[in-house]
Amino acid sequence: KAGVTQTPRYLIKTRGQQVTLSCSPISGHRSVSWYQQTPGQGLQFLFEYFSETQRNKGNFPGRFSGRQFSNSRSEMNVSTLELGDSALYLCASRTGPQADTQYFGPGTRLTVL
Amino acid sequence: AQSVTQPDIHITVSEGASLELRCNYSYGATPYLFWYVQSPGQGLQLLLKYFSGDTLVQGIKGFEAEFKRSQSSFNLRKPSVHWSDAAEYFCAASNDYKLSFGAGTTVTVRA
Repeated sequence: KAGVTQTPRYLIKTRGQQVTLSCSPISGHRSVSWYQQTPGQGLQFLFEYFSETQRNKGNFPGRFSGRQFSNSRSEMNVSTLELGDSALYLCASRTGPQADTQYFGPGTRLTVL
Repeated sequence: AQSVTQPDIHITVSEGASLELRCNYSYGATPYLFWYVQSPGQGLQLLLKYFSGDTLVQGIKGFEAEFKRSQSSFNLRKPSVHWSDAAEYFCAASNDYKLSFGAGTTVTVRA
């Protein structure tokens, strides 16, 4: 079974731009979560989607948003990019919100110049 | 507040030597506990997990972890380290929708 896939793997943007990252979960997994990883803050939860609905959200500004499609694929969007948004963005999937184990993709490395 | 602590930022170990990485958690009730490993530029790979039952958990790549409720700890061990074990290791806990991670421990393996 294929793992979680994320595209693109690398992105370079400039301040003020917006960016969209994509995540395809493991087949049969319907819950997708996003995490931000930075050297200073470590791994932080962004949000979780299930059945095309955002179920939970971490402590991030409204510039960070996401959505989920009927095939469980998810996208996250960051508008008005800031230098501090440079990070590795990780997507994780699990079978459903009650499932205990999340499986991670390789991440998208976003660099904001 | 719920938190996960990994006291060691960096550990250097000789190839063939044993390895132990420490993890402590602070939760109202015992959470689900996990160890993930991350190689440079890669995502997180699940090594093992603990939910309940036997306090010694076996994982992939020869790793094991021991849950100690009295110490709120979930330490990761490997009897004999290989050069390929050089990576960053994250302890994580969950009792609801999200994983809370420790800061990570970087393991360097010397020949």
